[in-house]
Parts: sequence; C-alpha cells; structure tokens
Amino acid sequence: AQSVSQHNHHVILSEAASLELGCNYSYGGTVNLFWYVQYPGQHLQLLLKYFSGDPLVKGIKGFEAEFIKSKFSFNLRKPSVQWSDTAEYFCAVNSKYGNKLVFGAGTILRVKS
Amino acid sequence: ETGVTQSPTHLIKTRGQQVTLRCSSQSGHNTVSWYQQALGQGPQFIFQYYREEENGRGNFPPRFSGLQFPNYSSELNVNALELDDSALYLCASSLFGRGRGGGYTFGSGTRLTVV
Repeated sequence: AQSVSQHNHHVILSEAASLELGCNYSYGGTVNLFWYVQYPGQHLQLLLKYFSGDPLVKGIKGFEAEFIKSKFSFNLRKPSVQWSDTAEYFCAVNSKYGNKLVFGAGTILRVKS
Repeated sequence: ETGVTQSPTHLIKTRGQQVTLRCSSQSGHNTVSWYQQALGQGPQFIFQYYREEENGRGNFPPRFSGLQFPNYSSELNVNALELDDSALYLCASSLFGRGRGGGYTFGSGTRLTVV
C-alpha cells in the first residue's frame, strides 16, 4: 500500500529564512507527486505537481520541489519565506492510473514577521 | 468558475446517529471524491463517485456510503456514528481521468463532531 511520510509536523521560521520540508513516499510503481497547501480558514490548494520529466518542479508563489527517485523523496523548498506562507503543507501521491490521493500527515509552517 | 461547495460547515451529532453531508462540484467537473481528515492527520480517501456509481473506495466500513446525482453533486452518509468519526470531511471534484493529474478542486469541508 502507498504511504507518505512528512518529516516535521511543526516548523517555525523567521521571514527571509529558507525552507525545506521533507517528504518520502512508499510505492513500488510509477507515481504522481503533489504538494498541497492549506492557508488558515481556506481550502486545500495545489502548490505544485510532478508527473515525469525534469525532477525539479516549480510551483506557485516561488515554491519548488525536487523528485529524487532513488530516495523516494519529493522535498519542498523555498529560498526565502514570507509571513504569508504561514499554512499547513501536505505532500501527496497517487499511482499513475490511480484515482485516489494518499496524503502525508502535514507540516504546519509558522513564519514569524 | 464556481468552486466546490460543502454543507453544512459544522455539525454536532450524538453517537449512534446518522449524518448526511453534501457537496456541489465545480462547474465542468463530473467526479467527486470524499476524504476524512482527523485532527493532526492528512486527508484519507473514503471513496470516489463517477457516473453516479462508486469508483474506488478506501479502507472505510460500509456504514460510510455515498450518492452522486445527475448534476454531479454528491452526498456522504455515515450511519451509526462513532466518536472516532469526528473529523473534517472534505469533498474534491475533478474531471474523470484528470483527477490523478492533480486537477482536484477541494471544498472547505464539513467539521463533524460526534459526542
């Protein structure tokens, strides 16, 4: 069965600090990988996704993620966070022809201004 | 384009009761998926509906059931509520086949509390 592990449940950073959120998944086949974000009081929104090709994926709001197949990882990065990045971030995976997303437990990011 | 609308936003029920949650899908979408998000956890897939039939189910007991209507809206029904059913229930709509591509639009959820 597929599973997703997010390394940190809570992260606190100061504005302008760099961000890296870890995500590892467990699945033997071809997968699609996603990062979703949930801002306070809002619904889940897609941040970025990886299907194939260039393992470095760029998303909205300056976020990027790198797929490392040998490590089963899909870490999210941002060079310089802003207070408005305060949110909960979820890594998710589905199999290439699957119809469900498997989510990690989420990482709550708080950015101090 | 309209987003995904869920109702009600909050609900309190007693153990053993039954509950119905509703979801209106985004315009142009024909598939609805339901997820349960317990406190401190990521969303877990309950089931998906396409063409008014269940199209995949997660590890949830039969007392979790659903419906999809001709206008693609959907209901999630939970019978014999248990305390552990307390969670945020999320609805996500997509265009069949595109959902796996990240083309899911999520609603804001229904917060169910079972006492």
